Amino acid sequence: NAGVTQTPKFRVLKTGQSMTLLCAQDMNHEYMYWYRQDPGMGLRLIHYSVGEGTTAKGEVPDGYNVSRLKKQNFLLGLESAAPSQTSVYFCASSYSIDGGLSTYNSPLHFGNGTRLTVT
Amino acid sequence: RKEVEQDPGPFNVPEGATVAFNCTYSNSASQSFFWYRQDCRKEPKLLMSVYSSGNEDGRFTAQLNRASQYISLLIRDSKLSDSATYLCVVNRNAGNNRKLIWGLGTSLAVNP
Repeated sequence: NAGVTQTPKFRVLKTGQSMTLLCAQDMNHEYMYWYRQDPGMGLRLIHYSVGEGTTAKGEVPDGYNVSRLKKQNFLLGLESAAPSQTSVYFCASSYSIDGGLSTYNSPLHFGNGTRLTVT
Repeated sequence: RKEVEQDPGPFNVPEGATVAFNCTYSNSASQSFFWYRQDCRKEPKLLMSVYSSGNEDGRFTAQLNRASQYISLLIRDSKLSDSATYLCVVNRNAGNNRKLIWGLGTSLAVNP
């Protein structure tokens, strides 16, 4: 089991270039997430998906787009990179736990991260 | 005020020491709670889920106090390998969805 796999691990872009970060999970999890982590800011949710074909905005969605065409894959796109998007990006997945009266998110499983520098 | 707050530290302790971190949350509708560990330049990894009755895993004990709205993590007999940032995470309902709120983390350095 690979778990959650992110590619690439590192990337340097020039301002205005575009790229796609790939995330794949082999655990059949319903939920997938893209976070960015910056010093002093903690983990901030960019976009997330609660199932194949669905996506939703998180806290900091501007400048990013996502797609979830297949359950196992969640793609994060930067159409026109800006220096403010220099960050470490983490993909994660989770599943729903039936707690009887309500449901809960399982703990998140994270990928290894992508270090992106925009110059 | 942030919804989930942690003392950023750093906590510097000698090997073998006992150290405890608290994490406070402001939304009483919070449902489930977790501690994650994050090593420098690595991804967060689940350390423990936190249950109402408290739970223990080896040298680690997690407790939840709903009345005072905080969770705690106790590490006994600290090892050098415990040096990391410990992230508190709170899960609550937000409309039709569930939302995860992350603390900024508490930094621990265990010294020889």
